[in-house]
Amino acid sequence: SQELEQSPQSLIVQEGKNLTINCTSSKTLYGLYWYKQKYGEGLIFLMMLQKGGEEKSHEKITAKLDEKKQQSSLHITASQPSHAGIYLCGADGSGNTPLVFGKGTRLSVIA
Amino acid sequence: DAGVIQSPRHEVTEMGQEVTLRCKPISGHNSLFWYRQTMMRGLELLIYFNNNVPIDDSGMPEDRFSAKMPNASFSTLKIQPSEPRDSAVYFCASRLQGAKNIQYFGAGTRLSVL
Repeated sequence: SQELEQSPQSLIVQEGKNLTINCTSSKTLYGLYWYKQKYGEGLIFLMMLQKGGEEKSHEKITAKLDEKKQQSSLHITASQPSHAGIYLCGADGSGNTPLVFGKGTRLSVIA
Repeated sequence: DAGVIQSPRHEVTEMGQEVTLRCKPISGHNSLFWYRQTMMRGLELLIYFNNNVPIDDSGMPEDRFSAKMPNASFSTLKIQPSEPRDSAVYFCASRLQGAKNIQYFGAGTRLSVL
């Protein structure tokens, strides 16, 4: 079965700093999905990557999928308190299966 | 659209009691998923439905758990009898099958079994 490992497990950054979160899959990915979760709330979809080498951006968040389609990174530029939360990566193994998720990276942004 | 709606948001019950969690998927979506989230195990898939039909329930912990989807706009997850180790946040998600497999999540039900 597919497994996703996220690193780091938690991260504390000062407001304005850049940061990167990584997600590594045990198998080649059909699709890689990034979600954000705030405490007490559900998961909010951020971005989806499908093609090797693909890169997408939304506001100050950029996600990349490597050429081999087994690793993705999420980069936040000039972090703000609003970026705080848990970031989860989800994997789609074959195009129509339920997503399997990593355990998440807990991000705190301090002033 | 209102998004995926779950109820109740919080449930506190005593061990041995029956618990029913409810979910209304996004209108027009034809796949529905139940997940459970804990600190130790993260987000785990319990069961999912396509067109109201259960496809894979291998993630359901044991016979105490059951899920139904009587129609396209409603699903329930039932635990009977409940145990303290069932305490977790339960999420429902829905998807339009074929549409890039993007799953949309409800706000979750936080269950505490005392």
